Amino acid sequence: AQSVTQLDSHVSVSEGTPVLLRCNYSSSYSPSLFWYVQHPNKGLQLLLKYTSAATLVKGINGFEAEFKKSETSFHLTKPSAHMSDAAEYFCVVSDRQDSSYKLIFGSGTRLLVRP
Amino acid sequence: DTAVSQTPKYLVTQMGNDKSIKCEQNLGHDTMYWYKQDSKKFLKIMFSYNNKELIINETVPNRFSPKSPDKAHLNLHINSLELGDSAVYFCASKTQGAETQYFGPGTRLLVL
Repeated sequence: AQSVTQLDSHVSVSEGTPVLLRCNYSSSYSPSLFWYVQHPNKGLQLLLKYTSAATLVKGINGFEAEFKKSETSFHLTKPSAHMSDAAEYFCVVSDRQDSSYKLIFGSGTRLLVRP
Repeated sequence: DTAVSQTPKYLVTQMGNDKSIKCEQNLGHDTMYWYKQDSKKFLKIMFSYNNKELIINETVPNRFSPKSPDKAHLNLHINSLELGDSAVYFCASKTQGAETQYFGPGTRLLVL
């Protein structure tokens, strides 16, 4: 079965410093992985996705993630945090076991950005 | 020009009532989903429809009944609402064969 584990429930950084949100996955075959962001009282927005092409994936708003098969990780990074990055971030794997491709979500990481 | 829209945005109701949430997408997608986000922000799939046909039902109580009148719409009717139904319900859609899903803004349901 597919699953993702987000290692930190909360991450706090100062504005202008790097962001690292950690995600490990479990999959019996090559996974498709996503990061979604949810701003307070808002919907879910796709940040980036990995679908077995380049292992370093660039997304919107300066975010990127690197797929590391040897570590079964898909950590999300950003060189310099902005106040507007404060939100809930979800690491997600697509379940390809049937044609439904349902998404399996991690438990989320709340990013706090200090001025 | 909203891609995936949901109505209503907020819904406050009494226990035991019946309510519906509507979802529409104008992306030309043929697969639609309902997800539930609980108070701890955990998201889990409830249903999926492909071309108006139910393909996923994740052990959701019978009180929840999705209906898809056409490919662009997926509605969720909930009978006999319970306190535990309070959550944010997200609709999503995608193209058959693709993996990226696009989400609506959510419907915040509060059962009193």
